[in-house]
Amino acid sequence: AQTVTQSQPEMSVQEAETVTLSCTYDTSENNYYLFWYKQPPSRQMILVIRQEAYKQQNATENRFSVNFQKAAKSFSLKISDSQLGDTAMYFCAFMKLRVTQGGSEKLVFGKGTKLTVNP
Amino acid sequence: NAGVTQTPKFRVLKTGQSMTLLCAQDMNHEYMYWYRQDPGMGLRLIHYSVGEGTTAKGEVPDGYNVSRLKKQNFLLGLESAAPSQTSVYFCASSYRPSGGYTFGSGTRLTVV
Repeated sequence: AQTVTQSQPEMSVQEAETVTLSCTYDTSENNYYLFWYKQPPSRQMILVIRQEAYKQQNATENRFSVNFQKAAKSFSLKISDSQLGDTAMYFCAFMKLRVTQGGSEKLVFGKGTKLTVNP
Repeated sequence: NAGVTQTPKFRVLKTGQSMTLLCAQDMNHEYMYWYRQDPGMGLRLIHYSVGEGTTAKGEVPDGYNVSRLKKQNFLLGLESAAPSQTSVYFCASSYRPSGGYTFGSGTRLTVV
């Protein structure tokens, strides 16, 4: 079974600075997807960024970028120019591509990192 | 568009009571999922559905049942609630799972 590990339960950063959240995963699969979800105090789960394992280029979405190291099974999230609205729980998630007949690709989540952006 | 709507948003149950959580999506998605979120545990998959009339077990299915009689609705039932089922429950749907899921806003359930 796939496992996702987020080793930093909590982190804090000053507004306008850069912070990196760590994520490692364990899989024997070669084709898969990786995601970062944000959960602000409102509780809504919001997709931040997505990476396809067969793509070597790291995904970027505005101030959010990832460092995807396939051999090391590492998928870290970098937030640049941190804003107060970035305060949230951040979840790393894994999805394998291969499924059984009648099945579905399913997200497997890490335990999350609580990020606080300080003014 | 409303997206994914969960009802109710909050509920308190007594041990042994039953209830049904409703998830409705208006995006014509085939795939729907129920997760539970517990402190320090992340989100864990309870059950999922790949289309109308289908359901399948996830990682933590015990104590729950589901039904998908209509494509837009996915119901999660607790037949005899236990304190261990105190959690926040999230429903999600997807057109193409590899593109990610759309989540509802969650239901906070407390069993006393």
